[in-house]
Amino acid sequence: AQTVTQSQPEMSVQEAETVTLSCTYDTSENNYYLFWYKQPPSRQMILVIRQEAYKQQNATENRFSVNFQKAAKSFSLKISDSQLGDTAMYFCAFRGSGTYKYIFGTGTRLKVLA
Amino acid sequence: DAGVIQSPRHEVTEMGQEVTLRCKPISGHDYLFWYRQTMMRGLELLIYFNNNVPIDDSGMPEDRFSAKMPNASFSTLKIQPSEPRDSAVYFCASSSAPNTEAFFGQGTRLTVV
Repeated sequence: AQTVTQSQPEMSVQEAETVTLSCTYDTSENNYYLFWYKQPPSRQMILVIRQEAYKQQNATENRFSVNFQKAAKSFSLKISDSQLGDTAMYFCAFRGSGTYKYIFGTGTRLKVLA
Repeated sequence: DAGVIQSPRHEVTEMGQEVTLRCKPISGHDYLFWYRQTMMRGLELLIYFNNNVPIDDSGMPEDRFSAKMPNASFSTLKIQPSEPRDSAVYFCASSSAPNTEAFFGQGTRLTVV
């Protein structure tokens, strides 16, 4: 069974600094998809970034980028130039190509400090 | 599109009562998911549908929980009878293909007293 592990329950970062959130996963599949979601206090789940496992190039979306290490089954999220609005829970998620379930990690609570 | 729409936004009910949560997925999406979020267990997948057919309900906690999808634009999650330990935020999400993200509704916060 696939599992997703986020080992950092809480993190904080100074405004304008860079922070990296960790995520590891376990799967026997070769083709799959990885996601980072943001959940602010409003509780709305918002997609931050997506990575296809068959793509070697790391995904980037403005200030957000990932470090995808397929062999190590690692998928970390880097937030550059952190802003107060980045304060939220961040969830790493896995979706296999054989099963269409999204499996979520337990989340990392990020606080951006002014 | 208005996104995934869930109702009600908040629900407070007494133990033993029946509770029905509702979801309208994004038009054209053929996958629909029900998740439960709690502090202790995080985001748990309860059940998901493909083309209105339940595919995997292994996450449904017990027989008190049931889910239906009578058509492509509507799904319900019912708890009967409800118990205090069912208190959580319940999310509905939909997606259109395996290589796309799931789009979430705003969730229903259920409190059973």
